[in-house]
Amino acid sequence: SQTIHQWPATLVQPVGSPLSLECTVEGTSNPNLYWYRQAAGRGLQLLFYSVGIGQISSEVPQNLSASRPQDRQFILSSKKLLLSDSGFYLCAWSVGVLSTIYFGEGSWLTVV
Amino acid sequence: EDKVVQSPLSLVVHEGDTVTLNCSYEVTNFRSLLWYKQEKKAPTFLFMLTSSGIEKKSGRLSSILDKKELFSILNITATQTGDSAVYLCAVVPYGQNFVFGPGTRLSVLP
Repeated sequence: SQTIHQWPATLVQPVGSPLSLECTVEGTSNPNLYWYRQAAGRGLQLLFYSVGIGQISSEVPQNLSASRPQDRQFILSSKKLLLSDSGFYLCAWSVGVLSTIYFGEGSWLTVV
Repeated sequence: EDKVVQSPLSLVVHEGDTVTLNCSYEVTNFRSLLWYKQEKKAPTFLFMLTSSGIEKKSGRLSSILDKKELFSILNITATQTGDSAVYLCAVVPYGQNFVFGPGTRLSVLP
């Protein structure tokens, strides 16, 4: 069966520090991969999605970036965090044309 | 611009009550509609709806889609405290990514 792992689960970082959140999927090949952010009391905002290695599409201009160095690995990064980057970050995957999307456990980021 | 609206945004009920959560949408080239339950962390998948009028059912939860009126409802009967969560609706247009609504926060009191 397919599983998705995301880490770290919780992160407190000072303003201006770098960020790296990592996500890996097991049990499937060539998944579509996503990074979402969920601010408190708000819906899910799509940040990045990837349909293959090295293929990244950005939905929202910001100081975050994403990379997909391997088929089942997706990384969210920032060189310098802002206070507004605080939130709940979710990695997700899907496969196929008519497919649901499955989420990792999420990472709570607090920028102080 | 594709849009998903959920109502109510927040709801408080007592155990045993029946609730109806609403999701309306405006998207081009509709493909499917998904419902998720989010308790503390990751949203978990509940239903995927693609055809009008066909009810999907799982235990006390059921959902139906109306593609003519562009909405879906999620019903929960005989609610329990374990049903307390945020319920997310997402619409998937052809060739585009999932569009999520803001969610409905359901609180079930004992």
